[in-house]
Amino acid sequence: GENVEQHPSTLSVQEGDSAVIKCTYSDSASNYFPWYKQELGKGPQLIIDIRSNVGEKKDQRIAVTLNKTAKHFSLHITETQPEDSAVYFCAASNFGNEKLTFGTGTRLTIIP
Amino acid sequence: NAGVTQTPKFQVLKTGQSMTLQCAQDMNHNSMYWYRQDPGMGLRLIYYSASEGTTDKGEVPNGYNVSRLNKREFSLRLESAAPSQTSVYFCASSEMSRGNQPQHFGDGTRLSIL
Repeated sequence: GENVEQHPSTLSVQEGDSAVIKCTYSDSASNYFPWYKQELGKGPQLIIDIRSNVGEKKDQRIAVTLNKTAKHFSLHITETQPEDSAVYFCAASNFGNEKLTFGTGTRLTIIP
Repeated sequence: NAGVTQTPKFQVLKTGQSMTLQCAQDMNHNSMYWYRQDPGMGLRLIYYSASEGTTDKGEVPNGYNVSRLNKREFSLRLESAAPSQTSVYFCASSEMSRGNQPQHFGDGTRLSIL
């Protein structure tokens, strides 16, 4: 089955700097890669997703890049703000698979 | 918009007790999921229901049962709770069961087994 590895497990950046979280996946058939943000005491919330027919997708300060050859994808957050502090999860699945496989999470802390 | 609603939010049980976690969604989604979240282990799928009337095992189904009561509701039952089942449980739903659909999560049930 699919295996998703996520790095780093913790990340601290100065407010205003950029943050990058990386994930690798094992199943070459995977074609859907969502990112979730989880705030304390809340459930994960989808913030951006990418499908394998594109290499990059942006939404304001958030972007995701995908390298299918290397089987890795990354979340980029620019101009970080205190409200970006949270735990971020990557995940992967393919069209024929009814399940998402999640990474183990990255705790992002924005230092004011 | 309520989205996905889970009850209760917190629960403490004694070993051997039983309980049912409730989940309801108001987005007319076909598929629903139960996950558990443990420190350092991300989200692991317990059971899922691709559509009303069907349920399937996920990665960690032992010790749990589920019921898809109707299109809106999907419950998770612990028949005889064990300390290893202390966790945060999340319910999620998606429009379709195909893997490339976004899943929408509730805010979880924090369960402690003493």
